Amino acid sequence: KQEVTQIPAALSVPEGENLVLNCSFTDSAIYNLQWFRQDPGKGLTSLLLIQSSQREQTSGRLNASLDKSSGRSTLYIAASQPGDSATYLCAVRPITGGGNKLTFGTGTQLKVEL
Amino acid sequence: SAVISQKPSRDICQRGTSLTIQCQVDSQVTMMFWYRQQPGQSLTLIATANQGSEATYESGFVIDKFPISRPNLTFSTLTVSNMSPEDSSIYLCSVEDRQGYEQYFGPGTRLTVT
Repeated sequence: KQEVTQIPAALSVPEGENLVLNCSFTDSAIYNLQWFRQDPGKGLTSLLLIQSSQREQTSGRLNASLDKSSGRSTLYIAASQPGDSATYLCAVRPITGGGNKLTFGTGTQLKVEL
Repeated sequence: SAVISQKPSRDICQRGTSLTIQCQVDSQVTMMFWYRQQPGQSLTLIATANQGSEATYESGFVIDKFPISRPNLTFSTLTVSNMSPEDSSIYLCSVEDRQGYEQYFGPGTRLTVT
């Protein structure tokens, strides 16, 4: 059974700092890995999707990497801003692809302070 | 990407009543997914809804408690029946992109049962 862990559970940083969020998974037989952002009481916003054959994806100040063999992904946020404050979730899809259940991590709650 | 809307955005309901949540997508999709997020927890898949067939429920969720309709390729409803305080959660619908299997979420319905 796939298990996804995110460390740290919570993180507080001053504005402008670069930071790394970690996601680890126990079963490397994944199709892809997706990073989401969730604001309090709201739905999920997709940030980055990495296919199993890819090593990294970039969008603006965000960079996500994937090391499938070691069961790890990182989300790098450059020059953090107060608007980045949210909970960040990673989710993995099993190797059989579409229509299959995503396994979510428990999230990292990020607070960026002025 | 897909744009998903949900109604209602939030509700406060009394124990023993039922609430129907609507999910509308701006494009035709084969599968729609319903998730529950209990306070302080990550997401748990309730069921997968295919148009024209019965929904497929995950372990721990039953049709009598969470009946789902999928009348066409852009719309679905989830009913939370005979509610108890333990049903207080955020309920989210999602769809997936058929090419890369990226998953998109609606804004969620925040349900409080008193």
